[in-house]
Amino acid sequence: DAKTTQPPSMDCAEGRAANLPCNHSTISGNEYVYWYRQIHSQGPQYIIHGLKNNETNEMASLIITEDRKSSTLILPHATLRDTALYYCIDTPDFGNEKLTFGTGTRLTIIP
Amino acid sequence: DTGVSQNPRHKITKRGQNVTFRCDPISEHNRLYWYRQTLGQGPEFLTYFQNEAQLEKSRLLSDRFSAERPKGSFSTLEIQRTEQGDSAMYLCASSQWLAEAFFGQGTRLTVV
Repeated sequence: DAKTTQPPSMDCAEGRAANLPCNHSTISGNEYVYWYRQIHSQGPQYIIHGLKNNETNEMASLIITEDRKSSTLILPHATLRDTALYYCIDTPDFGNEKLTFGTGTRLTIIP
Repeated sequence: DTGVSQNPRHKITKRGQNVTFRCDPISEHNRLYWYRQTLGQGPEFLTYFQNEAQLEKSRLLSDRFSAERPKGSFSTLEIQRTEQGDSAMYLCASSQWLAEAFFGQGTRLTVV
């Protein structure tokens, strides 16, 4: 079973920052936080991952709280193409490497 | 296109028939994964290969399911004696490192 908790749905206005929260209160010291998204009828797409430091790439930023029990994915300037199902996953980066998906957050970008 | 390729994209089969799906991973990736996704659910892990070795199988992978990766390149997933409950999207992913698993478009199976 997934060990993360996400709100089932969120809306965001186009051009604004979309902030997607995730709780992972049982995360252990060697587990990373990963974010993937899935646009309708396509396979999931990797977005970003982090261990304890904040991370940024060309797609998004990941803010992880100091106690690592929660994180926020930030899409800085949301576009209509960001409408998708977003999954937050915690998993070790070695050994058993399967991804355990929950039901994610359905993000809708409003024009 | 150098992404993960899955064939066929859609398959409709009668209950009791056997089906086989193919996945061509990104060429330099040594890890290959199969997942299954049903409507309204996130993908569920089925099995995982490192090169040609099948390292883990989920309890979801019943005896009717078999996966191979004979030369450490492409992989096949076969379902024997299909049942209506097998209807799902079957996703393949590959990676060098878990951090960036690249997924294919999936094969949508409908068992009638």
